[in-house]
Amino acid sequence: EDQVTQSPEALRLQEGESSSLNCSYTVSGLRGLFWYRQDPGKGPEFLFTLYSAGEEKEKERLKATLTKKESFLHITAPKPEDSATYLCAVQARGGATNKLIFGTGTLLAVQP
Amino acid sequence: ETGVTQSPTHLIKTRGQQVTLRCSSQSGHNTVSWYQQALGQGPQFIFQYYREEENGRGNFPPRFSGLQFPNYSSELNVNALELDDSALYLCASSPGGTYSYEQYFGPGTRLTVT
Repeated sequence: EDQVTQSPEALRLQEGESSSLNCSYTVSGLRGLFWYRQDPGKGPEFLFTLYSAGEEKEKERLKATLTKKESFLHITAPKPEDSATYLCAVQARGGATNKLIFGTGTLLAVQP
Repeated sequence: ETGVTQSPTHLIKTRGQQVTLRCSSQSGHNTVSWYQQALGQGPQFIFQYYREEENGRGNFPPRFSGLQFPNYSSELNVNALELDDSALYLCASSPGGTYSYEQYFGPGTRLTVT
């Protein structure tokens, strides 16, 4: 069964304190791995898509990496406005849809 | 370019009632998916519409149904509401048919069933 597990469930950082969020996945064949940011009561905001092991993508203070079993979202020198829930999702090959399978997210709090 | 929009923003219904939620896809996007997100959980796939046809469904009962219109907007209908249907309902659109990758989400409709 296709599955996504994110850790930690919650993370509290001081402003400027770099860290990483983990996304472990099991999928029959990976079409793509996605990272989203979600603010309370809002819809997920697209951040990155990764397609193959070894791929990396960056956006401002965020960098996403991918291996054959997991992905990391590295946050460098975070600011309070980076506080949000970060969701990881996978899309499997072979299905008729572009269905996303999500993890439960990591709630990040960055304190000034 | 207009993003994905959803209406209403919030809704309160009584158990047993029926509800219709609406979604306008992002300009140029012809595929719409619906997700249910319970509090503290990740979104769960309900179904997807492409060219006005449902082409895939997650583990949701038939009382969850939908429509897609020629302008690619969509509706989610839920009959015989249950307390467990209380959640944030998200619509996501994507370009290029069933094999496109990125999906862009709307702001969601918060449904409360009492």
